[in-house]
Amino acid sequence: GDSVTQMEGPVTLSEEAFLTINCTYTATGYPSLFWYVQYPGEGLQLLLKATKADDKGSNKGFEATYRKETTSFHLEKGSVQVSDSAVYFCALRGQGGSEKLVFGKGMKLTVNP
Amino acid sequence: ETGVTQSPTHLIKTRGQQVTLRCSSQSGHNTVSWYQQALGQGPQFIFQYYREEENGRGNFPPRFSGLQFPNYSSELNVNALELDDSALYLCASRPRSGGADTQYFGPGTRLTVL
Repeated sequence: GDSVTQMEGPVTLSEEAFLTINCTYTATGYPSLFWYVQYPGEGLQLLLKATKADDKGSNKGFEATYRKETTSFHLEKGSVQVSDSAVYFCALRGQGGSEKLVFGKGMKLTVNP
Repeated sequence: ETGVTQSPTHLIKTRGQQVTLRCSSQSGHNTVSWYQQALGQGPQFIFQYYREEENGRGNFPPRFSGLQFPNYSSELNVNALELDDSALYLCASRPRSGGADTQYFGPGTRLTVL
């Protein structure tokens, strides 16, 4: 079945550091790929998405590119802020019309001033 | 702010009991999904409801059941609780006009089974 493997934390960075969170997936065909963020006490929020190969999703300074050849969707940000402290989840939605999301285990990021 | 609310925020039950969790979506959100998020894990899909009928289910036993109401609220019911049912339960809804990628998640209900 479909699955997502992502870099696990926790990770602690200093403000303005570069961030990369690795994510690879297993799925047939061309799934849609997502990054969700979960701030303390809040629900999951969609951070960015990409629906076909070579698409780049971006939002709030975060970027991720859908790489079909490496089945990856790594999340990057050039300069993190304290407000980016949260748990980040990589997820996919399989091809075929199902709305089921398959999530990775999540990575907790703490950014210190 | 996603417009999706869940109640209660926290709940403690004992093994063997039954529990009902509630989700209230925005007007017009006619699709709702439920997920279970165990500690340190990503959310796992339980099932989805569309127009008050279940139309997709993950790998969860029948003691997990749901209801969706015409007023855009929904329930997750779990019978015969087990210790492993301790988790954060999330609901997600999407508007009638939105695609499958426009789901809005609630903050979750933390269930502890003793």
